[in-house]
Amino acid sequence: AQTVTQSQPEMSVQEAETVTLSCTYDTSESDYYLFWYKQPPSRQMILVIRQEAYKQQNATENRFSVNFQKAAKSFSLKISDSQLGDAAMYFCAYRSGLAGANSKLTFGKGITLSVRP
Amino acid sequence: NAGVTQTPKFQVLKTGQSMTLQCAQDMNHEYMSWYRQDPGMGLRLIHYSVGAGITDQGEVPNGYNVSRSTTEDFPLRLLSAAPSQTSVYFCASSYLPGQGSHEQYFGPGTRLTVT
Repeated sequence: AQTVTQSQPEMSVQEAETVTLSCTYDTSESDYYLFWYKQPPSRQMILVIRQEAYKQQNATENRFSVNFQKAAKSFSLKISDSQLGDAAMYFCAYRSGLAGANSKLTFGKGITLSVRP
Repeated sequence: NAGVTQTPKFQVLKTGQSMTLQCAQDMNHEYMSWYRQDPGMGLRLIHYSVGAGITDQGEVPNGYNVSRSTTEDFPLRLLSAAPSQTSVYFCASSYLPGQGSHEQYFGPGTRLTVT
């Protein structure tokens, strides 16, 4: 079974600075997808960024980028130029890419990010 | 597109009562699922469906039933509510693997309190 580990329960960053959120996962599959979801106080789950395992290039979305280390099974999220609106809980998640497999998302326990003005 | 909708947003039940959480999506997604979110636990899968008429259990299915009579709707039934079912519930939908984007789209959540 796949597992996702987020070992830091909380982090804090100064506004305009850069912060990196860590995530590791365990799988024996070769075809899979990794995601970072943001959950603000409104509790809506918002997709921040996704990475296909077969792509070597790290995904980027504006101020958000990932460091995907497939051999190390590491998938960290970097937030540049942090803004007050980035304050939220962030979840790392894994999904199998195999057709016919249980297509569930496996989530880490989340990390609460606070942004200091 | 409305995306994924859930009703109600909040609910308080007494122990032993039953209720149904509604979920609907208008994206023609085959895959739908229910998760519960508890503090320090992340989101855990309750039940899922890969198409109309097909459902299966996730990690924490006890005390919950689901059915999928149409592609659009995937209700979650609490048979006899217990305080341990106090949680936030999310419905999500997506394409099946190999059929499109692999991201799951989430509803706004239902906060359920059982007293």
